[in-house]
Amino acid sequence: DVVMTQTPVSLSVSLGGQVSISCRSSQSLVHNNGNTYLSWYLQKPGQSPQLLIYKVSNRFSGISDRFSGSGSGTDFTLKISRVEPDDLGVYYCGQGTQYPLTFGSGTKLEIK
Amino acid sequence: EVKLLESGGGLVQPGGSMRLSCAASGFTFTDFYMYWIRQPAGKAPEWLGFIRNKANGYTTEYNPSVKGRFTISRDNTQNMLYLQMNTLRAEDTATYYCARFGTGYFDYWGQGVMVTVSS
Repeated sequence: DVVMTQTPVSLSVSLGGQVSISCRSSQSLVHNNGNTYLSWYLQKPGQSPQLLIYKVSNRFSGISDRFSGSGSGTDFTLKISRVEPDDLGVYYCGQGTQYPLTFGSGTKLEIK
Repeated sequence: EVKLLESGGGLVQPGGSMRLSCAASGFTFTDFYMYWIRQPAGKAPEWLGFIRNKANGYTTEYNPSVKGRFTISRDNTQNMLYLQMNTLRAEDTATYYCARFGTGYFDYWGQGVMVTVSS
């Protein structure tokens, strides 16, 4: 199985600040078709996960441009700029390239 | 608007059975793979299995951790997804979600339903 390793486990940021979350996979996430199926999800307290970013850098419908994804191969990053109170929660990366699909263990974002 | 609404959770004894349902609306249900995913408290999500779309014959695949105990089915006339869970164990305690699968990602999730396996 592809192991997804997220760092840091948690981070605290001031409102208006910027944060980066790293996600590394144990194998390349480049699919045979040339696409890289790395996605990012936010799970707000008491809610289900919601899709933020898909295929490394594509923002899902309605997602603010404060969220951006980058990376390739096995190394990926989610950046959140101008952090707002509604951004708090747990962020997960997930890979959809190889079965079984797997998720990272999460990064908890707290607001200072 | 895409909506997924799970039902059927609750408390069940070890060794018991439970069926979860997921009502889908707002999209052409038969076009999509549908997944069941669970999340133990404080842990990352884990996919349990999925059922393919019409174009791929509605076949199923399962995580080895639940294969043989869990069965996924769908009623395409009612836009319903089901998860039949048998021989439940304490480690099956989690929040269970149904999710729509885009290409390589889960674009919509239900609100989740809690399943507690305990005597």
